[in-house]
Amino acid sequence: DVKVTQSSRYLVKRTGEKVFLECVQDMDHENMFWYRQDPGLGLRLIYFSYDVKMKEKGDIPEGYSVSREKKERFSLILESASTNQTSMYLCASSLDRGNNQPQHFGDGTRLSIL
Amino acid sequence: AQKVTQAQTEISVVEKEDVTLDCVYETRDTTYYLFWYKQPPSGELVFLIRRNSFDEQNEISGRYSWNFQKSTSSFNFTITASQVVDSAVYFCALSESSGTASKLTFGTGTRLQVTL
Repeated sequence: DVKVTQSSRYLVKRTGEKVFLECVQDMDHENMFWYRQDPGLGLRLIYFSYDVKMKEKGDIPEGYSVSREKKERFSLILESASTNQTSMYLCASSLDRGNNQPQHFGDGTRLSIL
Repeated sequence: AQKVTQAQTEISVVEKEDVTLDCVYETRDTTYYLFWYKQPPSGELVFLIRRNSFDEQNEISGRYSWNFQKSTSSFNFTITASQVVDSAVYFCALSESSGTASKLTFGTGTRLQVTL
């Protein structure tokens, strides 16, 4: 079974802090994704990566950056956290070269910015 | 632009009732894929099914069944004889192919509450 592990289930940070959310997958998947989930809005794609050191913006990249130095690890960075970034963050991975394979998700990180 | 609409925000049923979750999508692609995911209270999204746009056969897996109708751009999900363990948020999603990786557009989800 695919295992996608997010480093924290719950995280509390302060406005202006630099925040790192880590995600690791163990199935050698090429693609990794970061979403945020908010009530009434579903899941929205922030960034994704299709290979090491490669990244593409999703639908809501503003205020975020990402890093993929190794194939199994994909980090989401909040450069200067703001209260409107309080949300549930979900990481996913897929084995896919554009052929629409399912994405596999981690348990999520519930981030609160005070 | 792609869009997925799940008009039912929340549904409550009593155990053993059948329930249908609606999903309507919009896309300009002729080839696309549709997905359903389940998110139990624990938070992790669990993949349930993937269906491509050329396959309109209905699918049944145990108590779950899916009805794909291209003519109405719908991909509805029915749970027969619902159980308390079916309580979760269910998401419908549409896949957009690109040259790099397939991206998903999600609906806003339907929260299903099954009570005794």
